[in-house]
Amino acid sequence: GESVGLHLPTLSVQEGDNSIINCAYSNSASDYFIWYKQESGKGPQFIIDIRSNMDKRQGQRVTVLLNKTVKHLSLQIAATQPGDSAVYFCAEINTGGFKTIFGAGTRLFVKA
Amino acid sequence: DTAVSQTPKYLVTQMGNDKSIKCEQNLGHDTMYWYKQDSKKFLKIMFSYNNKELIINETVPNRFSPKSPDKAHLNLHINSLELGDSAVYFCASSPSGNLRSETQYFGPGTRLLVL
Repeated sequence: GESVGLHLPTLSVQEGDNSIINCAYSNSASDYFIWYKQESGKGPQFIIDIRSNMDKRQGQRVTVLLNKTVKHLSLQIAATQPGDSAVYFCAEINTGGFKTIFGAGTRLFVKA
Repeated sequence: DTAVSQTPKYLVTQMGNDKSIKCEQNLGHDTMYWYKQDSKKFLKIMFSYNNKELIINETVPNRFSPKSPDKAHLNLHINSLELGDSAVYFCASSPSGNLRSETQYFGPGTRLLVL
């Protein structure tokens, strides 16, 4: 069946530290992945994506790493800020390209 | 100038009632979606429409019926509400529905509580 991500874990980091959020996926045929950020009371918001022909992609303060061998994704946030506190979801797009399959999410707490 | 809007934001109702949630997008997108997010934050697709035509219909009870009067609107009607329907329902839209090359935009959610 379809399965992306783990049960909702929580990560607590000090402001200014780097954060790493991990995600496992099960479909080895998946070739496009997205990280979403969901702040309290809001809908998910696109952060960064990566295709399977890449191992790493960088955005502003965020980096996504993809390890296809072990079917693992990670989102790295540099110099974490209080505004980064949210639930982060990894997601994959299905083979047909018309459906997003979300993982269970990770809650990030940033301590001031 | 909200891109994807939903009404109501909160909905509290009794078991057995029928209720509707509305969604509108002003982005000019062709594709709209309904997702359900449970109490553990798990987010799952329910339906998608492309230009008023049903594209995705996941395993959702027949009590849930989406309706798209035009491509800017996708409403969700729920009959005979059950306790397990309590969740946050998110509407989303994307330009054409090809999610390999475009971004989905989510609404703020409708928090449904069935008592």
